[in-house]
Amino acid sequence: AQSVTQPDIHITVSEGASLELRCNYSYGATPYLFWYVQSPGQGLQLLLKYFSGDTLVQGIKGFEAEFKRSQSSFNLRKPSVHWSDAAEYFCAVGDVDGGSQGNLIFGKGTKLSVKP
Amino acid sequence: EPEVTQTPSHQVTQMGQEVILRCVPISNHLYFYWYRQILGQKVEFLVSFYNNEISEKSEIFDDQFSVERPDGSNFTLKIRSTKLEDSAMYFCASGRRREDTQYFGPGTRLTVL
Repeated sequence: AQSVTQPDIHITVSEGASLELRCNYSYGATPYLFWYVQSPGQGLQLLLKYFSGDTLVQGIKGFEAEFKRSQSSFNLRKPSVHWSDAAEYFCAVGDVDGGSQGNLIFGKGTKLSVKP
Repeated sequence: EPEVTQTPSHQVTQMGQEVILRCVPISNHLYFYWYRQILGQKVEFLVSFYNNEISEKSEIFDDQFSVERPDGSNFTLKIRSTKLEDSAMYFCASGRRREDTQYFGPGTRLTVL
């Protein structure tokens, strides 16, 4: 069955430090991969997506992610974290295999805290 | 920039009551979805809707749930007889194509007492 694993429940980094959030997926076909961010009490905002092509994708707010098929991973990175990046981050895979209508399968999320 | 809107932002109801959560998807989108997020847990798919009918639903989406697109702009989720365990944040999402970005609304927090 398709699944998404985010192994880190909570990460704390210092402001200005680099960040990497891990995401691994299990999916039979070519995955459509997404990272969403959720600030407290807010909805889900798309950070970036991978459908095909260049495996390093750029997103909003200075985030990037790299698709590595051999590792079934789609890790999110940012070179220098800002205090406003504190939020919860969700990795998701779009299920379009076998006639599925593209519903998203989410990981459990990683909560990011930023120290001043 | 067009966005998905949802009303109400917060709904409190008594167990056994019916609730209708409303969503206005982005106007040129054709695929519509409902997801829910129980507090502290991951976002879970409920149902997808395309061409005026349900195209896929999860195990969560039982007979107590229904969806409707009554007037070409609104997309509603009805829970016929709410249970305590229905308390969650409900997100509506829409997309232009099946393999495309889904844009999420801000969510409706449902509290069942």
